[in-house]
Amino acid sequence: SAVISQKPSRDICQRGTSLTIQCQVDSQVTMMFWYRQQPGQSLTLIATANQGSEATYESGFVIDKFPISRPNLTFSTLTVSNMSPEDSSIYLCSVVEGSARRDTQYFGPGTRLTVL
Amino acid sequence: QQPVQSPQAVILREGEDAVINCSSSKALYSVHWYRQKHGEAPVFLMILLKGGEQKGHDKISASFNEKKQQSSLYLTASQLSYSGTYFCGTLSGNQFYFGTGTSLTVIP
Repeated sequence: SAVISQKPSRDICQRGTSLTIQCQVDSQVTMMFWYRQQPGQSLTLIATANQGSEATYESGFVIDKFPISRPNLTFSTLTVSNMSPEDSSIYLCSVVEGSARRDTQYFGPGTRLTVL
Repeated sequence: QQPVQSPQAVILREGEDAVINCSSSKALYSVHWYRQKHGEAPVFLMILLKGGEQKGHDKISASFNEKKQQSSLYLTASQLSYSGTYFCGTLSGNQFYFGTGTSLTVIP
């Protein structure tokens, strides 16, 4: 299975600042996603990171707030911009090992973000 | 669109069995099951594809009833290591949603 790392593992940030989270995979993958998980809640898909093109955002998430880059098939970044305390959450990247959405999805260890 | 899981929480003694249900309002192509321990990422358990199949490994198995748009996860002879939050993930069209989650606690 794919091995996924994320940096940073956690951070405490001030309101109004931005944080960029990195996701690195040890193999080339077609599909990569960014999720948010608020404390005690389920996972919510933010966007699909598309290699070489703009990310595809889910309803309620916009590019200005969560810009995403995917320069190649093993790496992606998610930026949380102009942060507020409501952005405090765990952010997870995930990849699908295979070419179809139904294939197995693996998750990175997550980035725990606290906004003061 | 988010699948609903039941129960929301369950406490078991070691050796007891449990069933976790996942229900969707949409026609499903596949159902995925994950377990997440506190402070960790979700870990993949199994996938069930359309066709009403059943799968299992060790003492954890699952079924998928596509007509009812439901899946159930069966944990038998539970162990302390089974504790965590279980999520189903459903694929409908090209839309994937995680369920509401079921917290399972196994006590000695």
